[in-house]
Amino acid sequence: EDKVVQSPLSLVVHEGDTVTLNCSYEVTNFRSLLWYKQEKKAPTFLFMLTSSGIEKKSGRLSSILDKKELSSILNITATQTGDSAIYLCAVEAGSNYKLTFGKGTLLTVNP
Amino acid sequence: EAGVAQSPRYKIIEKRQSVAFWCNPISGHATLYWYQQILGQGPKLLIQFQNNGVVDDSQLPKDRFSAERLKGVDSTLKIQPAKLEDSAVYLCASSFTLRVGKNEQYFGPGTRLTVT
Repeated sequence: EDKVVQSPLSLVVHEGDTVTLNCSYEVTNFRSLLWYKQEKKAPTFLFMLTSSGIEKKSGRLSSILDKKELSSILNITATQTGDSAIYLCAVEAGSNYKLTFGKGTLLTVNP
Repeated sequence: EAGVAQSPRYKIIEKRQSVAFWCNPISGHATLYWYQQILGQGPKLLIQFQNNGVVDDSQLPKDRFSAERLKGVDSTLKIQPAKLEDSAVYLCASSFTLRVGKNEQYFGPGTRLTVT
């Protein structure tokens, strides 16, 4: 059974801090790893990673995949209160490109 | 571009009653997914359609859950009869195609179901 584990499960920081969220996986026939941000509604797409070692960046957010270590990290620099959300990691695997999600990391950014 | 539409947004029912959720994916998206998200958990895939065919329903509790996508566009998910443990947010998502690096899924706002 495919498995995705995220850590930490929750994190409280102050505005301006830098945070690193972790995701590790055990899946059969890996296709890609995705990061989503979930506030009070639907998950919104952040990044899709397919190649090891290539950093993807969007503003203050960046992510990188390590296929050897079966893991990924999501970095957020200069955090803002608007970054408060649940960050979900999902791995796409198998012939059906099925997504398996982790439990998420609840990030709280205090002013 | 319009996003994934879902209705209703909220539903409260008693156990043993039935309920149906509707989803309209982004125009042109061939693949449609239904997920169940229980509080404190990540979304769990219930069923995946490619056009109007089922690709994966291995985690769908088929004794009480059913889903259809008859014309390959919108879809309905039904629960009959509902149990207390079905209380969750039901998310619909769609993607353009199944191909490495191209299967980015877009999610609808979800339906929050409470079973009492």
